[in-house]
Amino acid sequence: RKEVEQDPGPFNVPEGATVAFNCTYSNSASQSFFWYRQDCRKEPKLLMSVYSSGNEDGRFTAQLNRASQYISLLIRDSKLSDSATYLCVVKGNQFYFGTGTSLTVIP
Amino acid sequence: GAGVSQSPSNKVTEKGKDVELRCDPISGHTALYWYRQSLGQGLEFLIYFQGNSAPDKSGLPSDRFSAERTGGSVSTLTIQRTQQEDSAVYLCASSPSGTGMISNTEAFFGQGTRLTVV
Repeated sequence: RKEVEQDPGPFNVPEGATVAFNCTYSNSASQSFFWYRQDCRKEPKLLMSVYSSGNEDGRFTAQLNRASQYISLLIRDSKLSDSATYLCVVKGNQFYFGTGTSLTVIP
Repeated sequence: GAGVSQSPSNKVTEKGKDVELRCDPISGHTALYWYRQSLGQGLEFLIYFQGNSAPDKSGLPSDRFSAERTGGSVSTLTIQRTQQEDSAVYLCASSPSGTGMISNTEAFFGQGTRLTVV
């Protein structure tokens, strides 16, 4: 079983739409949670950390459900520049990356 | 520089040759990770260093792959007798710690080495 599972998509949404990504993780002892963004042919970069109480950064909202072992990312009012692959990341003894969910925002 | 530095940025090698990839982590970061990413695929974990030791090297695909880290800083990933299926982007990341304290800190990536085996 993979440490982190994500729906690979692709998600194709119109500008202005709201889109949600979910991922699940297998190790209940995991300590920290993140969403990373990876643009085509670029390295992954931190989008936001995910805290137990949920957290928001502008149009982006991340939530963590420890009981169900899943993490979500909500993007509101999608922009063309949001097109990228979004990686769910869980940290226990090391960083475990999901395979990523591809998002394309269409004009 | 302030970020994770990898060299070379691109490497084309002939099948059967050995290659060495270098990663210079952020100063003071004790944890260092190597990943591989084939075109259009997700990150494939290779090996994790905490200081100079490698608590987890379960992702190394074969005995042709090896990695070392010296002085708790620079790491090299060596691929012997390269094969065409080794072609990929090799990404290195570092973070302030592995487990335990300061666990909420992120991993910072280098820009990767694009390896092409012809």
